[in-house]
Amino acid sequence: QVQLHEPGPALVEPSETLSLTCSVSGHSISSDYYWGWIRQPPGKGLEWIGYVYHSGSTRYNPSLKSRVTISVDTSKNQFSLHLSSVTAADAAVYYCARDRVDYYMDVWGKGTRVTVS
Amino acid sequence: QSVLTQPPSVSGAPGQRVTIFCTGISSNIGAGYDVHWYQQLPGTAPKLLIYGNNNRPSGVPDRFSGSKSGASASLAISGLQAEDEADYYCQSYDTSLTARVFGGGTKLTVL
Repeated sequence: QVQLHEPGPALVEPSETLSLTCSVSGHSISSDYYWGWIRQPPGKGLEWIGYVYHSGSTRYNPSLKSRVTISVDTSKNQFSLHLSSVTAADAAVYYCARDRVDYYMDVWGKGTRVTVS
Repeated sequence: QSVLTQPPSVSGAPGQRVTIFCTGISSNIGAGYDVHWYQQLPGTAPKLLIYGNNNRPSGVPDRFSGSKSGASASLAISGLQAEDEADYYCQSYDTSLTARVFGGGTKLTVL
């Protein structure tokens, strides 16, 4: 049974880079799925950030593209999110998820709360 | 502002049926892309509820059903139960944005 594990709460200073890693268990990250990130600011809705394929190819939300990098480490069965130049607007719960080629996310991690301060 | 439009809230009494609508445009739902629905119980991560407009993942009760017509979609919940109280999000793909897009979410209150 596939499970996704994000780290515990994170605190990032304004203008710094947010880095999160999602560990995948019960499933090879090299299978035919994308591996993505979604975020949810406090009291607000969901925002898709982007995904990475095991080959390293990526796709990002245009609104975040200039600041986002998503990478994959197949040897560790992990993928990572890096968001640069963070501001208070980037404070949110960040979820990692398995993203399917037919455009939806079928398995989600429990989420990591990120505070910018 | 979300790309897909949902009502902020709906409510219903136990046992009743409620419907949540999701409206898109010609670059997403109207372009033929499927609609998917997620349920987010308080304090938890979203969970896939409906995929491909009207398909339920294993374990989702058949009280939940989805449909799509033109540039809109809907999620129907019949036989409302207290445990259904949650936020519900629709999601699709937008070809102009080349991105997965979400609705703003609908809070379901079971009276």
